[in-house]
Amino acid sequence: GESVGLHLPTLSVQEGDNSIINCAYSNSASDYFIWYKQESGKGPQFIIDIRSNMDKRQGQRVTVLLNKTVKHLSLQIAATQPGDSAVYFCAEMGENSGGGADGLTFGKGTHLIIQP
Amino acid sequence: EAGVTQFPSHSVIEKGQTVTLRCDPISGHDNLYWYRRVMGKEIKFLLHFVKESKQDESGMPNNRFLAERTGGTYSTLKVQPAELEDSGVYFCASSQDPGSGAQYFGPGTRLLVL
Repeated sequence: GESVGLHLPTLSVQEGDNSIINCAYSNSASDYFIWYKQESGKGPQFIIDIRSNMDKRQGQRVTVLLNKTVKHLSLQIAATQPGDSAVYFCAEMGENSGGGADGLTFGKGTHLIIQP
Repeated sequence: EAGVTQFPSHSVIEKGQTVTLRCDPISGHDNLYWYRRVMGKEIKFLLHFVKESKQDESGMPNNRFLAERTGGTYSTLKVQPAELEDSGVYFCASSQDPGSGAQYFGPGTRLLVL
């Protein structure tokens, strides 16, 4: 079936370095993607979203890139800080996502570890 | 502003028992969602309320699960009777705009069925 998935389960980076978390999707009709961050013991927290009419969107220290040709998106975190340690999920939303029209379809998650 | 709250934070029950989970969304959010994450799997959508109406319950696994949102405020998710495979973390989320992917999640209820 259609799915949103992540390339790596764990990513370890040095504090201060930039982090790149990747995500692949399989449905070419997918048009809305969202990144969430989940810290230990908490629920997922919205970071940034992007629609398919864009290929790049920037937030505070974060950038999401969308490559529709290869069905890939990435989350870039600049100058990684200890507070960035968390599991990061890419998610999809919409009628083609498999999560209901307004429900999120989550990928498996990447655990980002920040080394001091 | 208070966030989404869920009760209880943890629940341990025996197979065959009933458990009711509660979610209080952010005040003013008409949209309320339930999700769950079972061991080793992704977070899965269960259903979506708009006020007190079920907009989409396509993710509900079977008829042992019953969600309600009487009055359009808080919601409950009842599992009756609970089975071992129901163990996991149940998240509730709310939002103002149903078309936005920016949903506000609660901390989850960790359910263990023995």
